[in-house]
Formats: sequence, structure tokens, C-alpha cells
Amino acid sequence: EAQVTQNPRYLITVTGKKLTVTCSQNMNHEYMSWYRQDPGLGLRQIYYSMNVEVTDKGDVPEGYKVSRKEKRNFPLILESPSPNQTSLYFCASSFALRGSGANVLTFGAGSRLTVL
Amino acid sequence: DQQVKQNSPSLSVQEGRISILNCDYTNSMFDYFLWYKKYPAEGPTFLISISSIKDKNEDGRFTVFLNKSAKHLSLHIVPSQPGDSAVYFCAARRRRIYPSGTYKYIFGTGTRLKVLA
Repeated sequence: EAQVTQNPRYLITVTGKKLTVTCSQNMNHEYMSWYRQDPGLGLRQIYYSMNVEVTDKGDVPEGYKVSRKEKRNFPLILESPSPNQTSLYFCASSFALRGSGANVLTFGAGSRLTVL
Repeated sequence: DQQVKQNSPSLSVQEGRISILNCDYTNSMFDYFLWYKKYPAEGPTFLISISSIKDKNEDGRFTVFLNKSAKHLSLHIVPSQPGDSAVYFCAARRRRIYPSGTYKYIFGTGTRLKVLA
């Protein structure tokens, strides 16, 4: 089954304790992205990756890091989490966002993170 | 700067009636618009899209209308069913300045639709 898999789905942590949210896709997609969803703010892009070893900042990258060493994986790293990073996080992937056609994003099920 | 706005946080509709979800945008450079549906504890899933050169696209019970002069799009669900109860996000695609030739999606804040049986 074609899917984007995120782990963990739920996590409660404390301020400053480094954590990683993993994301893996099995569709051979070039493009991957992380979003956070907050009440009244919709989905905002944190980082994205056009392909292996190619990553760039989205609209709200502060406090996050990413890496893309393999095509299928795109982990989101919070080096020193703070309470304002409490949110619902989604990983998404698609074929390359280029050219004509509305490339459809496939989303993971989400990771709800609480930072105390 | 919220370039894509969904001004109605929630909407309730009777089963069998029409649901109309609205989305307004400010950037005339958007070239595609998409609607995603999201159930609780799941990620958003793609529903329907429309190119900026069209004014209507239909897929079964779902129709999206685009009014470029008003910078407004709407999603019509006819007839509405209880299984349509979800949060609906509209998204708009525009070209990035850099890297050249690539695009990004900007999402609205979502509208929670409740279809009453």
C-alpha cells in the first residue's frame, strides 16, 4: 500500500530534550515536506526537500532541522524542543513539484507532540 | 500574511442537502487550487483540484468552482452524506522564486463540516 509513515504518533516530552520524528514513504517520491498544524493557522510548512541531499526552509523553520540522506526518509529533528513547538505535525510527499499538473501531496497520519 | 483564507471555521448541513465550503485568496500568481479532506487522527487526503485556467471541475458528488476575478473558490458537495463530516482544507500552488521552476503549496485554516443525519 502506498503510504507515508510517521513515528511516533504521539509524544510528550520536556523542554530541551532532543527528539526526532521519523517519516518514510514507499512511493519513490522526490519531494518531501514537513508541516505543522495549529488552531486558527492551518498547515504551515517547516522544511521541504526536493530530492536526496537537497533541503530548504519553509515558512516556519526556527527550532527544527531535517536531513534527506535517502530518498524514502525525511526525519524532523527538534534539537532543543520548547513549549511553542507543541503541535500536530504532518509529513507529506509527492512527485517533483515541477511543471504542469497539480502534484498531489500524500500525507502521513500525523504526530502529535506536546512539549512541557 | 494569510494568502489563503477559509473564513468559516465550521459548517453544519443536513444529510442530502448541499454543502458549500468557501476559500478566498489574495495572490493572483496561484496556478492550481486543491481541496483536501481530513478525518480525526488521520492525515489530509486529496479530494479535488482545479487549474487557474478553468472555472469548474467536477468529480462525482464534488464540484469545485473558481472565480478568478473575485479570487474565490468554493467546494460543493451534493448530496451531503454523514461520511463527509471532516475538516476541509483548501490549498493553492504558486511558483517559488528559488529554486527556479519549483512550486509550493499554501494551505487555508480549514473548515469543519458536520453533516447531520
